[in-house]
Amino acid sequence: EDQVTQSPEALRLQEGESSSLNCSYTVSGLRGLFWYRQDPGKGPEFLFTLYSAGEEKEKERLKATLTKKESFLHITAPKPEDSATYLCAVQARSWGKLQFGAGTQVVVTP
Amino acid sequence: DSGVTQTPKHLITATGQRVTLRCSPRSGDLSVYWYQQSLDQGLQFLIQYYNGEERAKGNILERFSAQQFPDLHSELNLSSLELGDSALYFCASSQPTLSSGGRDTQYFGPGTRLTVL
Repeated sequence: EDQVTQSPEALRLQEGESSSLNCSYTVSGLRGLFWYRQDPGKGPEFLFTLYSAGEEKEKERLKATLTKKESFLHITAPKPEDSATYLCAVQARSWGKLQFGAGTQVVVTP
Repeated sequence: DSGVTQTPKHLITATGQRVTLRCSPRSGDLSVYWYQQSLDQGLQFLIQYYNGEERAKGNILERFSAQQFPDLHSELNLSSLELGDSALYFCASSQPTLSSGGRDTQYFGPGTRLTVL
């Protein structure tokens, strides 16, 4: 069965303190790996899609990378507004469905 | 704003009742997905529709059903509600293309918070 594991479960950072979130996965044929940001009580907000090992995508202070077994979301010089839960999801051979990890809750303090 | 709308935002009801959640996808998106998010289970896929037809099913309970209408909006019906059905229900939409082998990005709505008392 497809599995997505995110670590750490929670991360507390000082403003400006860079860090990385990990998403490891086992899936029988990866179509895509997705990163979302979710604020409390809100819907997941799309950040990145990665399709093949070696691919990297960047947006402002966030950078996502992908290998054959895991993905990293690097947060560079975070600000308090980067506080959120970051969700990783994989899309396997079965059409369309996303398999989500449990998420990493990030808190950035001033 | 993702362009996906969901109504209502909040729903409070009693055990044994039936409710309907509504979703309007982004303009042009043919696929609609329903997900359930509870504290202990995380985001779980329920069901997918593509252009009016059911495409895939997850661990959706028999008490739950869904449909997608000709105008592409979708409804999720939950019946014989139990306390454990209390959760956030999200709809997502996408526009998978044949040339991409079905790979696509799903955009989520703001969700409906269901509370069963």
